[in-house]
Amino acid sequence: DTEVTQTPKHLVMGMTNKKSLKCEQHMGHRAMYWYKQKAKKPPELMFVYSYEKLSINESVPSRFSPECPNSSLLNLHLHALQPEDSALYLCASSQDAHRGAYEQYFGPGTRLTVT
Amino acid sequence: AQRVTQPEKLLSVFKGAPVELKCNYSYSGSPELFWYVQYSRQRLQLLLRHISRESIKGFTADLNKGETSFHLKKPFAQEEDSAMYYCALSDGLNTGTASKLTFGTGTRLQVTL
Repeated sequence: DTEVTQTPKHLVMGMTNKKSLKCEQHMGHRAMYWYKQKAKKPPELMFVYSYEKLSINESVPSRFSPECPNSSLLNLHLHALQPEDSALYLCASSQDAHRGAYEQYFGPGTRLTVT
Repeated sequence: AQRVTQPEKLLSVFKGAPVELKCNYSYSGSPELFWYVQYSRQRLQLLLRHISRESIKGFTADLNKGETSFHLKKPFAQEEDSAMYYCALSDGLNTGTASKLTFGTGTRLQVTL
């Protein structure tokens, strides 16, 4: 299995809601990533997990809370989001976060709309 | 800080014409350079990386450290090459923190008949 899967595909939530995005990979990768992609813009790194530990947080607001329960799963918990947080959220994985030469495999994304 | 510049938002070429998508980078260390592609309604995927020095779907890219460039080239464009192309840079081997992948703003390639 060489795919990264993400659920849900689409999510609409109010500013007071709590929701979670899920990401899964079964390639044995030990690095997992969350990116945010606004329309017509490149992906922007949010978080990097290496061996299930948070390695990089790109100064993301605390209303986004990542979690890596095991080496195959990555969650992004959302709470009290703002309309400007509406975007495509991409998950990716790679063999090792400390070797930049490794390819990152991307999921299809979750399109989030905050109302 | 690492930075990737793609000067063209849109590149429109005729089928069979040569293609060159420009990419320049800024990085003080030894970078890893990639081209990622996103076809319509498909996920972002790797096209090629400089370390492999291979040709994928007829595309090649050469890392020019003197000019800090990694331009993507194809001698004869095909309709199925129409897509969004992102140049990306990663720092190399890090024993401390994890590597970061930084994307350029992307170039949309449109191949017309």
